[in-house]
Amino acid sequence: TQTVSQSDAHVTVFEGDSVELRCNYSYGGSIYLSWYIQHHGRGLQFLLKYYSGNPVVQGVNGFEAEFSKSDSSFHLRKASVHWSDSAVYFCAASKNSGTYQRFGTGTKLQVVP
Amino acid sequence: AQTIHQWPVAEIKAVGSPLSLGCTIKGKSSPNLYWYWQATGGTLQQLFYSITVGQVESVVQLNLSASRPKDDQFILSTEKLLLSHSGFYLCAWSLEGGGASAETLYFGSGTRLTVL
Repeated sequence: TQTVSQSDAHVTVFEGDSVELRCNYSYGGSIYLSWYIQHHGRGLQFLLKYYSGNPVVQGVNGFEAEFSKSDSSFHLRKASVHWSDSAVYFCAASKNSGTYQRFGTGTKLQVVP
Repeated sequence: AQTIHQWPVAEIKAVGSPLSLGCTIKGKSSPNLYWYWQATGGTLQQLFYSITVGQVESVVQLNLSASRPKDDQFILSTEKLLLSHSGFYLCAWSLEGGGASAETLYFGSGTRLTVL
């Protein structure tokens, strides 16, 4: 069974703190992993993705994610969060088909000023 | 630059009534197109995808249908709404074909549907 798990439904941090949002997957073979951000009531925006190569990928707005095959993880990190980073973050996985992505349940990040 | 426009922004409909939601992509020819459904506070469920005009594949059965009448247009519809259809509907596009280029989704701003 292919799954994408985001174990933390809510994460609260103070502005300027670092944050890590967790994503674990259960897929066989090569997969694409992505992170998206959704501000309240809006569509999703792409942050970054990984398929192969350097396991640490850089995204927009200072976000980065690290792929770990041994841990089946693709955690998202930011060194210093801003209040505008408050949003729901979704991890997604897909096989090399280009037509189907499975999304996790999302993690709501609240940044306290 | 590519733009994606969804309409309407929001709908309030009665159970049993018909529904039509639309999505238009400008600035990109032959994109892959997708419909997603999101329950309030929930994850995204892919409903349909289309890789070319006139061809639509269903991912889940929710008494909904989709059509792609033009290269840049994707329509989601049903003849009879259910309470369970309430939620947030998102249209998205990606580059054509498969592989890394097709794995990035670009979403519209969504349609909020309330079925009463």
